[in-house]
Amino acid sequence: GAVVSQHPSWVICKSGTSVKIECRSLDFQATTMFWYRQFPKQSLMLMATSNEGSKATYEQGVEKDKFLINHASLTLSTLTVTSAHPEDSSFYICSARTGRVGTEAFFGQGTRLTVV
Amino acid sequence: GDSVTQMEGPVTLSEEAFLTINCTYTATGYPSLFWYVQYPGEGLQLLLKATKADDKGSNKGFEATYRKETTSFHLEKGSVQVSDSAVYFCALRGAAGNKLTFGGGTRVLVKP
Repeated sequence: GAVVSQHPSWVICKSGTSVKIECRSLDFQATTMFWYRQFPKQSLMLMATSNEGSKATYEQGVEKDKFLINHASLTLSTLTVTSAHPEDSSFYICSARTGRVGTEAFFGQGTRLTVV
Repeated sequence: GDSVTQMEGPVTLSEEAFLTINCTYTATGYPSLFWYVQYPGEGLQLLLKATKADDKGSNKGFEATYRKETTSFHLEKGSVQVSDSAVYFCALRGAAGNKLTFGGGTRVLVKP
C-alpha cells in the first residue's frame, strides 16, 4: 500500500516555543491531507482537512491560529503548533489520500509531542 | 451528525480465544465502514473495510459484516495471537466521502 511518513516521531519542546510536524506521501500524490489529535487512550479527533494549494478547513473548536497547517505541495503537509503549552501535549497523526473522494486514506505513524 | 460507538476496553484474552469487538454507527445515507488497528507507538493501519450492506470485510483472520438493519459492523477473529494485541478502531466514512469518523477505540491484550 501507499506510504505516509511523519517526522519527527517524537519531540519535546519548551513551553512557548513552536513545533513543526511534517507529513509526506512517499509514493503518491496527496491532494487531501487530514490532521488528527489523539489523547491518551482516546480516539482520534479530526483537527483539520487540507487540500493542496488551499487553506485548511478546521473542525469546530480547533484554533487555526494555534495549529497552522500548510499544504503547499502534493506530497507534503505541515502542522505547526505555535506557542506550545503543556496542554498541547498529544499524539498527532496525519493521513493522506488522492483527490478522488471516497478513496482510501493512508496514515502516518504519528508524532508524540510533549511540551514541558 | 455521524457517530460510531464501540465497546470499551480493555479486552483481555488468552491466546487462541475468540475475539468480538462490537461496533454500531449512526449515519445518514450509506456510509462505508472500516476497522483500523493501532500498534503501540504507531499510526493506524487499515485492517478491513466494507462499502455496502451485507459486505464482509476480512483480513489476517479478522472479519466484519456490514449490517444495515442493525447499523453494526462487529469485528471478529476466531483465534487470537499475542501479536494481535493492539487498539482497534471502528470508523465510518459518510456518503459525502470526505472524512472519517472514529469510534473510541478498544484496547485488546492477548496473553500467552
